[in-house]
Amino acid sequence: NAGVTQTPKFQVLKTGQSMTLQCAQDMNHEYMSWYRQDPGMGLRLIHYSVGAGITDQGEVPNGYNVSRSTTEDFPLRLLSAAPSQTSVYFCASRHGTGRGRYEQYFGPGTRLTVT
Amino acid sequence: AQTVTQSQPEMSVQEAETVTLSCTYDTSESDYYLFWYKQPPSRQMILVIRQEAYKQQNATENRFSVNFQKAAKSFSLKISDSQLGDAAMYFCAYRTGVTGNQFYFGTGTSLTVIP
Repeated sequence: NAGVTQTPKFQVLKTGQSMTLQCAQDMNHEYMSWYRQDPGMGLRLIHYSVGAGITDQGEVPNGYNVSRSTTEDFPLRLLSAAPSQTSVYFCASRHGTGRGRYEQYFGPGTRLTVT
Repeated sequence: AQTVTQSQPEMSVQEAETVTLSCTYDTSESDYYLFWYKQPPSRQMILVIRQEAYKQQNATENRFSVNFQKAAKSFSLKISDSQLGDAAMYFCAYRTGVTGNQFYFGTGTSLTVIP
């Protein structure tokens, strides 16, 4: 198993550009999520999905779109990048939704800089 | 929304000694899960230990143990026989129990291990 993979590892964007951060998992996990990590802020949940075709907002969803057309993939889209979106982005997945002690598996992260 | 507080931005410990990292949280739920994650310089998030709120017994994983005080909403991590490889950022995290879909992280504690 490759686990949770993220591409790219690093990205620099100009203000107003759009891009998609890719996330894929090969563990047949129902639940997938995106976080951003900022200095001194810990990880904050952006969006999550409990299965193909089902997504919901987390704590900081503004400026980001997601979709889940397959179980494996959960891309995060920035439609018009802003300097405030400079951050490290993590994708995570876990088996099962709702109650259950299943742990989250994290991808290696994408460092995004918006100038 | 639930909040997770880690009041120690930095801690240090002598190799082979014991260190305790603090975490408190605020919630009105009775059913939830708590986690400690380790993030080394590689940026990879690694699960250290988990605790189900309905369990009174404190979780242990080899040299890692927790002191879970539900009434006080406290969840501290004890690392015994500290090793150089334990040096990392440690995050406390809370997961809602009813849906299990929302995760909240603390701001982290940077642990230095002194040889």
